[in-house]
Amino acid sequence: AQTVTQSQPEMSVQEAETVTLSCTYDTSESNYYLFWYKQPPSRQMILVIRQEAYKQQNATENRFSVNFQKAAKSFSLKISDSQLGDTAMYFCAFNNAGNMLTFGGGTRLMVKP
Amino acid sequence: DAGVTQSPTHLIKTRGQQVTLRCSPKSGHDTVSWYQQALGQGPQFIFQYYEEEERQRGNFPDRFSGHQFPNYSSELNVNALLLGDSALYLCASIFSLSNEQFFGPGTRLTVL
Repeated sequence: AQTVTQSQPEMSVQEAETVTLSCTYDTSESNYYLFWYKQPPSRQMILVIRQEAYKQQNATENRFSVNFQKAAKSFSLKISDSQLGDTAMYFCAFNNAGNMLTFGGGTRLMVKP
Repeated sequence: DAGVTQSPTHLIKTRGQQVTLRCSPKSGHDTVSWYQQALGQGPQFIFQYYEEEERQRGNFPDRFSGHQFPNYSSELNVNALLLGDSALYLCASIFSLSNEQFFGPGTRLTVL
């Protein structure tokens, strides 16, 4: 069974600064996908970024980028130029071909003005 | 193009009752997954429906059952409600040839 661990329950960052959220996972699969989801107080789970395990290049989406270390089973999210609207719960998730998502426990991010 | 919709938004039930939650996937999506998210925790996979069949199931008791209709919409039924069933129930819509999941806004179930 796969497990996903987010070791930072809460983090805060000043507006316009950079913050990195950590995620580690455990799996015996070789082909899988990793995701970061954002869940604001509105509860809607929104996909931030995804990474295919077979791709060595780290995914980037505007201000969001990942550091994917396959051998270490690490998948961290970097948010650059943090904005007040980035305040939310962030969940790391793992998915193999079965489409079932396994989520971590989440990191609550507060962006301070 | 409407996104994933769920109804109702909120629901209050008492222990022992039964509840039905509904989900309509995005247009063109043929697969629906259901997740339970307890307060302060990450979502946990309940089951997935594809072609009106349960394709995959998480570690949930038989009190949790579901259905998918020919138009791909889906229902989640929970029987004999327990206090511990209080949670946010999320539906995710997937196109079977992709693995990107689009989530609905959820249904907040409170069991008293």
